[in-house]
Amino acid sequence: DTAVSQTPKYLVTQMGNDKSIKCEQNLGHDTMYWYKQDSKKFLKIMFSYNNKELIINETVPNRFSPKSPDKAHLNLHINSLELGDSAVYFCASSQDSYSGANVLTFGAGSRLTVL
Amino acid sequence: AQTVTQSQPEMSVQEAETVTLSCTYDTSESDYYLFWYKQPPSRQMILVIRQEAYKQQNATENRFSVNFQKAAKSFSLKISDSQLGDAAMYFCAYRPRWKGGSEKLVFGKGTKLTVNP
Repeated sequence: DTAVSQTPKYLVTQMGNDKSIKCEQNLGHDTMYWYKQDSKKFLKIMFSYNNKELIINETVPNRFSPKSPDKAHLNLHINSLELGDSAVYFCASSQDSYSGANVLTFGAGSRLTVL
Repeated sequence: AQTVTQSQPEMSVQEAETVTLSCTYDTSESDYYLFWYKQPPSRQMILVIRQEAYKQQNATENRFSVNFQKAAKSFSLKISDSQLGDAAMYFCAYRPRWKGGSEKLVFGKGTKLTVNP
């Protein structure tokens, strides 16, 4: 069983479209994250949820909206896609958010290409 | 803000040899964690090793070990007896111990390691 699974793994779409990426973890963790990896491989946090509550919200365009229906799921919806949104988006989870000791477990990433 | 710097965009090593990847970081915190993650071509991020800042002893995991110099804010990764499967991007990362729930994991820009047969 995959610990952190993301769908879809690949997504190709046109500028201006709206798309979603889904993430599910079966580790029983309380905290989930979205990271963006750009074309130069730089990984940067976007959002973090702890037990469905938003706790980290980096400077991200408001076209990006995370949603956590329960603590095992964290979805990322992107409106009005732009060329610069092309990247690999990683979902991750950790036991909780209250200690830096907690190791993040990452999903396999979702490669988004905007044409 | 915390920053993590990996000054070697690319490194190469011969199979069975030893290689050291460099990482420095900047923080005003005294208690934190440092990590090395590996990202092979499959894209999966895999934890290699973790170091707790309050521990003076350097962490080791089989062929992987770190040289943690807290005063110098340096955290290098040594890979011994390199194997072809070690070829990957390696990311150094920092996370404060306590930040009221917003302990961000901050990554360096990565070092691409090539292992030559």
